[in-house]
Amino acid sequence: EPEVTQTPSHQVTQMGQEVILRCVPISNHLYFYWYRQILGQKVEFLVSFYNNEISEKSEIFDDQFSVERPDGSNFTLKIRSTKLEDSAMYFCASSSLRGGNTIYFGEGSWLTVV
Amino acid sequence: EDQVTQSPEALRLQEGESSSLNCSYTVSGLRGLFWYRQDPGKGPEFLFTLYSAGEEKEKERLKATLTKKESFLHITAPKPEDSATYLCAVNNNAGNMLTFGGGTRLMVKP
Repeated sequence: EPEVTQTPSHQVTQMGQEVILRCVPISNHLYFYWYRQILGQKVEFLVSFYNNEISEKSEIFDDQFSVERPDGSNFTLKIRSTKLEDSAMYFCASSSLRGGNTIYFGEGSWLTVV
Repeated sequence: EDQVTQSPEALRLQEGESSSLNCSYTVSGLRGLFWYRQDPGKGPEFLFTLYSAGEEKEKERLKATLTKKESFLHITAPKPEDSATYLCAVNNNAGNMLTFGGGTRLMVKP
């Protein structure tokens, strides 16, 4: 069964450092997403990406965050200067169609900022 | 702003003891309501999508139903392996994002 894969599974970084989280969405999917879940809290939407541009973003997704699809298979989330409050599980997700279509999630990348 | 509230926050059942989880929502034009299962330290695993009031879907011991204000996830004769956090999320007709509830942590004891 096709799945969304994410790397790394766990990363520890120092405050102020740049972090790149990587994802390989399901191959025939066209819509890509990043969500995050702070420990013990709800899953929160960050950004959606379609046709090589951001289609939606939340208030959390400020200038410190960026996304990119550098080639035909990878989708990345960059955090330019990490803060302690960026510590969370980051989930990549993808769907084949927009709105109402099932969104499939990866296993997550656990980011710890120290 | 879309809102999703799940209850109870935690539920302990004996193996075989059936129960229901609730998801109440307010959304500006529901496009879909989703149920996911999440195991500790893992990503949400898709279970069901419901699109309109009155719709029902089943998978093994799970059955999801939808009204105009809430959804229920019924668990019939649960087993210990059904222990997980069950997440409810909605998508409105303005975009692609999902708004999640806080989840119900289900523990099934043998």
